[in-house]
Amino acid sequence: DTAVSQTPKYLVTQMGNDKSIKCEQNLGHDTMYWYKQDSKKFLKIMFSYNNKELIINETVPNRFSPKSPDKAHLNLHINSLELGDSAVYFCASREGSRDEKLFFGSGTQLSVL
Amino acid sequence: ILNVEQSPQSLHVQEGDSTNFTCSFPSSNFYALHWYRWETAKSPEALFVMTLNGDEKKKGRISATLNTKEGYSYLYIKGSQPEDSATYLCASPSGTYKYIFGTGTRLKVLA
Repeated sequence: DTAVSQTPKYLVTQMGNDKSIKCEQNLGHDTMYWYKQDSKKFLKIMFSYNNKELIINETVPNRFSPKSPDKAHLNLHINSLELGDSAVYFCASREGSRDEKLFFGSGTQLSVL
Repeated sequence: ILNVEQSPQSLHVQEGDSTNFTCSFPSSNFYALHWYRWETAKSPEALFVMTLNGDEKKKGRISATLNTKEGYSYLYIKGSQPEDSATYLCASPSGTYKYIFGTGTRLKVLA
């Protein structure tokens, strides 16, 4: 069973469209994250939720809206997609405190045409 | 702002060679240091989480040391194999929930 699963793995869409990426973890973790891998392959945090509550919102455009219906799910909705949104997006989760390791999903490669 | 730096950015080694690379981080308010292995087209996987000064952790041919007083950690790979080719990331918590990742060391092991 995959611990942190993201769907879809690939997403190709036109500028201006709205799209969602889903993330689910079956580890019972309290904290979930969205990271963006930028053009330099650097992992940058976007959002973090702890027990469905937004903890970190890292100066991400308002077009990006995370939603956590329960602590096992953290979805990312993106409105009015732009060319610059093309990237790989990773979901991750963590059990407890900051000395616990992060578990990552397999990534969603978003291409905006 | 916490700054986590890794060096070198990339390196090529021959199969069988041993190698090491560095992660440096601010030593003040240290809490933990994470190492992740990230293969191309896959997701990062945790190797070690280190919290104690002088700690050394080992997983097969890979080991890591930690010096929290001077703010660095070394990752060592003994007898590198082609399957060790990956990007090795370190990360340090900044606050309770945020992690600052280094830019990684891209290792290529040549057969």
